[in-house]
Amino acid sequence: EDKVVQSPLSLVVHEGDTVTLNCSYEVTNFRSLLWYKQEKKAPTFLFMLTSSGIEKKSGRLSSILDKKELFSILNITATQTGDSAVYLCATPLSTDSWGKLQFGAGTQVVVTP
Amino acid sequence: EAQVTQNPRYLITVTGKKLTVTCSQNMNHEYMSWYRQDPGLGLRQIYYSMNVEVTDKGDVPEGYKVSRKEKRNFPLILESPSPNQTSLYFCASRSGTDRGSEQYFGPGTRLTVT
Repeated sequence: EDKVVQSPLSLVVHEGDTVTLNCSYEVTNFRSLLWYKQEKKAPTFLFMLTSSGIEKKSGRLSSILDKKELFSILNITATQTGDSAVYLCATPLSTDSWGKLQFGAGTQVVVTP
Repeated sequence: EAQVTQNPRYLITVTGKKLTVTCSQNMNHEYMSWYRQDPGLGLRQIYYSMNVEVTDKGDVPEGYKVSRKEKRNFPLILESPSPNQTSLYFCASRSGTDRGSEQYFGPGTRLTVT
């Protein structure tokens, strides 16, 4: 059965800290792993990862995929209060031709001033 | 601007009163989907559509209907809403060329059924 597990479920950090979020997956016929940021509204797309070992960066956020160990990490450096959100990872299900996304439960990040 | 729009954004209604939540995208995407999000359960797919007149059930289709008469629109219909359908609903779309590609989400509709 395909599944996506995120850890930790939540964390609280001070501004300026670095945060590392984990996403492990079990999917046959893996296609991609997606990271989204959700504040009090719709998920917004961060990264799509398809290849192992190639880091994707956007400002203070970066992410990398390990297809051998079946996990991805999302790093946020020099955190700001605006980084407070739920971070979701997801992957298209192997058995679904549409590419229905299987989401993890999310990691709630709270950045305190 | 490329976007997915939903209406209404907030809705409070009573049990049994039919309602429709609209979804529209301007990216000419073939694939559209409805999700509901509930605390502790994450995002779960309700229905999806792979093109005009092609729809299929997701994980939690009971109590919902959809239609896809035009490529850009994918309304979600609740014929007889019940309190257990109180939730946050998201419409999403993506291009049809790669099922691993990014999905774009609408702003969400918060529905309360009393």
